[in-house]
Amino acid sequence: AQSVTQPDIHITVSEGASLELRCNYSYGATPYLFWYVQSPGQGLQLLLKYFSGDTLVQGIKGFEAEFKRSQSSFNLRKPSVHWSDAAEYFCAVGGGDDKIIFGKGTRLHILP
Amino acid sequence: EPEVTQTPSHQVTQMGQEVILRCVPISNHLYFYWYRQILGQKVEFLVSFYNNEISEKSEIFDDQFSVERPDGSNFTLKIRSTKLEDSAMYFCASSEMGGRSNQPQHFGDGTRLSIL
Repeated sequence: AQSVTQPDIHITVSEGASLELRCNYSYGATPYLFWYVQSPGQGLQLLLKYFSGDTLVQGIKGFEAEFKRSQSSFNLRKPSVHWSDAAEYFCAVGGGDDKIIFGKGTRLHILP
Repeated sequence: EPEVTQTPSHQVTQMGQEVILRCVPISNHLYFYWYRQILGQKVEFLVSFYNNEISEKSEIFDDQFSVERPDGSNFTLKIRSTKLEDSAMYFCASSEMGGRSNQPQHFGDGTRLSIL
């Protein structure tokens, strides 16, 4: 069965510091992978997606993620975070059918 | 950029009452979905809908739930007799194609449903 693990419930980084949010997935074939962001009181906004091809994908707001099949990972990175990046980040996997399976999310806190 | 819109943003309902959550998917999208997020938990798939019928549903989506596309623009989720545990944020999503394609799902801002 498909599953997604986000091992960090909370992450705190200083503004301007680099960020990496971890995501591991379980899926029998080549997955479709997504990162969504949810700001407080808001919906889910797609940051980036991986379907095939280049394993390093660029997204909106300066985010990128790298698909590593050997590690079953799809970690999200940003070289320098801004205070407005404080939000909850969800990794998700899909592929064989219509549904997307979400991880439990990582809440990002930014220190001034 | 086109958006998925959901109304209302917050719905408060007495236990046992029926509730209808409304969604307007992106206009050229053909696949529609409902997800829910109980407070503090992860987002869970409820149902997908294509060509006026349910294409997939989860075990959460039992007989008290139903979906409908009553006209060319709206997509609704009805909960027939609400229970306390139905309190959650409900997200509507849409995509141009289904999950077997490379078209991502676009989500609305959600409706927070509170059951008293």
